[in-house]
Parts: sequence; structure tokens; C-alpha cells
Amino acid sequence: DAKTTQPPSMDCAEGRAANLPCNHSTISGNEYVYWYRQIHSQGPQYIIHGLKNNETNEMASLIITEDRKSSTLILPHATLRDTAVYYCIVRRPQGGSEKLVFGKGTKLTVNP
Amino acid sequence: NAGVTQTPKFQVLKTGQSMTLQCAQDMNHEYMSWYRQDPGMGLRLIHYSVGAGITDQGEVPNGYNVSRSTTEDFPLRLLSAAPSQTSVYFCASRTGVGGYTFGSGTRLTVV
Repeated sequence: DAKTTQPPSMDCAEGRAANLPCNHSTISGNEYVYWYRQIHSQGPQYIIHGLKNNETNEMASLIITEDRKSSTLILPHATLRDTAVYYCIVRRPQGGSEKLVFGKGTKLTVNP
Repeated sequence: NAGVTQTPKFQVLKTGQSMTLQCAQDMNHEYMSWYRQDPGMGLRLIHYSVGAGITDQGEVPNGYNVSRSTTEDFPLRLLSAAPSQTSVYFCASRTGVGGYTFGSGTRLTVV
């Protein structure tokens, strides 16, 4: 699975959009981009995934660049409950390893 | 639709005891996995299953057994508990290209 690079920490004001970047310059054609988060002492939570096109669900939007070498997770109206560590993972959902490697992620702090 | 349900939420075992951590999902997911997470560390894969009747080892399988007799259930058995198995255990499931849905975890202490 391709390696990802994320900033170690970010701050965001409550009610504003949080834009979390992820670089994955070695991504291959059949690898998807997945985002998870983990709030302290809770289980990881899946947020969104995508292959090439931008995706949106009830939690967030995922913007993937045309060359697929980077992506941005957007939380449109961050709340205090969005404070968590966010992980960007690139992996093949079929034929690849089932092992999830979360890396260090980005610690997002949403401030009142 | 309850998602992934893990029981118990907390457990204290004595060294040498055995127990089974239960995991059930009601989403008809074919893939299921067990992870452990220790303080300040990432997830480590214990065992996984790609469908009923099929299981395989992850990176830290020693001391644990699994079986997958149905699509819904994926229990994790600790054969003879050791203090090194004190951890938080997460069960997760997925289907197709979707992301993993995680359970809320079992906090296990072995004394």
C-alpha cells in the first residue's frame, strides 16, 4: 500500500470548514484513498473513501487531485465533537493486505 | 442495523484463564478483522476473515484463535491469558471497496 504524508496537527474554529490534506504521491491505479478518525479512547471511525472522483457523504467531502497524488478531507462545519486524530490511508480493497496501517495522522483540534 | 457489536465491553482475567471476545455484525459484510491497540500505539492486526469458513493470521496471532462459522459472527478466543494481552480489542467488518466499520471495543486487563 502506498505511503501517505499528513501534517501532525491542525486547528479549526467551530463552525468553520476544516480542510485536512494528505499526500500520496506513490499511489497506484487500483488503490483507493480512505479516511478514518479516532476520537480519544473510542474505536476508529470510517469517514469516506474515493478512487478518482470527488466524493461527498453526510460526514465529509473528499477532493482527490486529477493526478491522484494528493487529497483533501473537508469537514464543512466543524464542531467540537470533530476533535480527533484523522488518518488518510491508501490501499487496494481487493487483493491487497487486510492490515490497516494508520500512521501518525493529523490531530485536529476544533476550538470554540 | 446495529453495525458491529462487541461483547463484553470490559473484562478482567487472571493469568492462564481463557475467554472468548464476541463480535457480531448485521451488515452482511464478508470481511472481518480483529485488532488490538495498546496505549500510544497504532492498531495491530491479530486475525482476519474474508468470508465464512476462511480465516488467516495477521501480524500478532500468537495466543489467539478465531473461527468464522457464519457471516455474522467472528469470535476471538484467548487460549491462556497473559499480562501482555492486556489491551483494547477492536473488531471490524467491511464489504467490497467500502471502509471498515469498527466496534466500540473490549477493554481487557490480565492480572
